Amino acid sequence: DTEVTQTPKHLVMGMTNKKSLKCEQHMGHRAMYWYKQKAKKPPELMFVYSYEKLSINESVPSRFSPECPNSSLLNLHLHALQPEDSALYLCASSQDLGTVNYGYTFGSGTRLTVV
Amino acid sequence: AQSVTQLDSQVPVFEEAPVELRCNYSSSVSVYLFWYVQYPNQGLQLLLKYLSGSTLVKGINGFEAEFNKSQTSFHLRKPSVHISDTAEYFCAVRLNSGYSTLTFGKGTMLLVSP
Repeated sequence: DTEVTQTPKHLVMGMTNKKSLKCEQHMGHRAMYWYKQKAKKPPELMFVYSYEKLSINESVPSRFSPECPNSSLLNLHLHALQPEDSALYLCASSQDLGTVNYGYTFGSGTRLTVV
Repeated sequence: AQSVTQLDSQVPVFEEAPVELRCNYSSSVSVYLFWYVQYPNQGLQLLLKYLSGSTLVKGINGFEAEFNKSQTSFHLRKPSVHISDTAEYFCAVRLNSGYSTLTFGKGTMLLVSP
């Protein structure tokens, strides 16, 4: 299995809702990432988990809450989002933070719309 | 800190013509370089990477790139493009020491027309 699977593919949520994005990989990768991508822009790093511990938080607002329940799963919990948070949310994984031979493997993303 | 510059936001080209997408990087230490492609409503797919060794790197879908240390460039080329190559292309850099993450350029939209 050489894929990163993200669910759901599309999500529409109100500003008072709580929702979660899910990401799963079975490649044995020990580093996992959340990126946010606005239209016509490059991906922006949000969080990095290394061996299931939060390693990097790029000053992301607390309405985004990451969670890594085990080495294969990565969640992003969303609460009280704003319309400007509408974007494509991408999950990625890599062998680990220090190994770069194979680059990152990206999922297809979740298209989030906040209304 | 490292940075990546993709000077062309959009490159229009006719089918079967050659194309070059430009990427320049800035870093005070050695780096690894990557090109990713993103088709509409999709995630990013690795096209090719330069880690070390030969400066000419071949990737998937007939693309290749050449690492030029003196010009700090890593331009992407394809000798003959297809309509299906229409996509956004991102150049990315990562430091080759310690723990580092990818830094992406702003992307270049390749538009292939018949």
